[in-house]
Amino acid sequence: AQSVTQLDSQVPVFEEAPVELRCNYSSSVSVYLFWYVQYPNQGLQLLLKYLSGSTLVKGINGFEAEFNKSQTSFHLRKPSVHISDTAEYFCAVSLNNAGNMLTFGGGTRLMVKP
Amino acid sequence: ETGVTQSPTHLIKTRGQQVTLRCSSQSGHNTVSWYQQALGQGPQFIFQYYREEENGRGNFPPRFSGLQFPNYSSELNVNALELDDSALYLCASSRNGQGQETQYFGPGTRLLVL
Repeated sequence: AQSVTQLDSQVPVFEEAPVELRCNYSSSVSVYLFWYVQYPNQGLQLLLKYLSGSTLVKGINGFEAEFNKSQTSFHLRKPSVHISDTAEYFCAVSLNNAGNMLTFGGGTRLMVKP
Repeated sequence: ETGVTQSPTHLIKTRGQQVTLRCSSQSGHNTVSWYQQALGQGPQFIFQYYREEENGRGNFPPRFSGLQFPNYSSELNVNALELDDSALYLCASSRNGQGQETQYFGPGTRLLVL
């Protein structure tokens, strides 16, 4: 079985500051890694995914994440956040590269303050 | 190309009742997954349908059942509702068998069980 731990339930940050949202996973087999964002009263939107190749993955809205196999981590970063980045962020793993049957972490609420 | 739609948007039921939630897949998608997202938590995988057959299930009891129709739309049925079934139910669709397809989520149905 797989599990995902998001170490911070809330991350407050000022506008234009950098941010890192942490994600660690556990699995006995190889997994594929995903980050999703959920804006209030909306569904989930895919930010980025790691399937293979370069461990640094770039996504939408200026976000990027780095896969670290030895640390079993997949932390999400953005060098300068905007008020509009305020949302809930979910890290997830899947056994297939289509990203089906996802196992999600508990989420991190990013709160960007002016 | 239309996105994933779900109906109804909100629903209130009482304990012991039965409920049916509906999902229309994105055009051309043959795979539908359902997730339950309790308040303040990450989504949990309920089950997945591929070409009208269930091909994956999470840790949910049999009173959670589903259907996928020839047009690839889907229903989630929950019998004997319990208070803990109160949650946001998310549907996601993808086009499996075609390579690395992205999964798209609908906006969800918010179910309240009293």
